[in-house]
Parts: sequence; C-alpha cells; structure tokens
Amino acid sequence: DAKTTQPTSMDCAEGRAANLPCNHSTISGNEYVYWYRQIHSQGPQYIIHGLKNNETNEMASLIITEDRKSSTLILPHATLRDTAVYYCIVSAYSGSARQLTFGSGTQLTVLP
Amino acid sequence: EAQVTQNPRYLITVTGKKLTVTCSQNMNHEYMSWYRQDPGLGLRQIYYSMNVEVTDKGDVPEGYKVSRKEKRNFPLILESPSPNQTSLYFCASSSRGTGANVLTFGAGSRLTVL
Repeated sequence: DAKTTQPTSMDCAEGRAANLPCNHSTISGNEYVYWYRQIHSQGPQYIIHGLKNNETNEMASLIITEDRKSSTLILPHATLRDTAVYYCIVSAYSGSARQLTFGSGTQLTVLP
Repeated sequence: EAQVTQNPRYLITVTGKKLTVTCSQNMNHEYMSWYRQDPGLGLRQIYYSMNVEVTDKGDVPEGYKVSRKEKRNFPLILESPSPNQTSLYFCASSSRGTGANVLTFGAGSRLTVL
C-alpha cells in the first residue's frame, strides 16, 4: 500500500471548515483513499473514501487532485465533537489480503 | 443497530492467567480483525479472518490466538498474558461485498496485565 503523509496536528475554529490535507504521491491506479477518525481512544470511525472523483456524504467531503497524489478531507462546519485524530489511508481492495494500515494521523482540535 | 460488540471493555489481570476478549458483529460481515493500539505505535493488526474457519496472522500475532467458528464471533485469546500485552484492543469487521475497505470498529477493550 502507498505511504501517506499528514500534518501531525491542526487547529480549527468552531463553525469554520476544517481542511485536512494528505499526501500520497506513490498511490497506484487501483488504490482508494480512505479517511477514518478516532475520538479519544474510542474505536476508529469510517468517514469517507474515494478513488478518483470527489466524494461527499453526510459527514464530510473528499477532494482528490487530478493526479491523485494528494487529497483533502473537508469538514464543512466543524464542531467541538469533531476533535479527533484523523487518519488518511491508501489501500487497494483485495478480497484475500489484509486490509488497512493506520499511521499516526492528524490531531484536529476544534477551538471554541 | 449495526455494531461490533467487545467484552470486557476493561480488564485488569495478572501474568499467566488465560483470558478471552469476545467480539461479535450483527452485520453478517465476512471479514473480522483484531488490532492493538499503543502510544506512539498506532493501530497494529494482530489477526484477521476472511470468513468462518479462515484466519491469518497480522503484524503482531505473538502471544495471541483466535478462532472463527461462527460468522458473527471472533474471540481473541491470550493463553498466558504478559505485561507487554497491556494495551487497548479493537475488533473490526467489514463486508467483502462492498468492494472497499470500510471497517466498523468496536468500542475497544482496555487490558492491563500486572
């Protein structure tokens, strides 16, 4: 699986958009970009994933650059409950292989 | 509610006393996995199972056993726990039919081995 690079930490004001970047310059054509988050020792929570196109769901938007070497997770109106560690993971799906490898992630702190 | 349930959530035990952490999912998922999380080391996979009676080692399997006799259950067994197995453990599951690695995690089990 391709390696990802994320900032160690970020702050965001409550009510503003939180934009979390992720670099994955060695991504290959069949690898998806996944985002998970973990709120203070709770189980990680799936947020969103994408292959080439931008994606949006009720939690967030995922913007993937045209060359797919980087992506941005956008939380449109961050709340205090969005304070968490956010993991960007790149992985190809394989029905017989081990799945996701979680790195260090970005600690997002939403400030009041 | 679709969920992965782990028990116990908290456990303090002593070296050498066998213990089992149970994991159950109600989503009919084929894939199940165990992770441990330690400060500075992130989430590391212990064992995983692609389906009933099919299990395989992850990155840190030493000192652990698993079984998958039923689709919904994937217990983690520590035959002779040692202090270096003090950690936060997570069970996760996913459906192979989605074509993507969307994992549902349990709430975690915090284990302390004295």
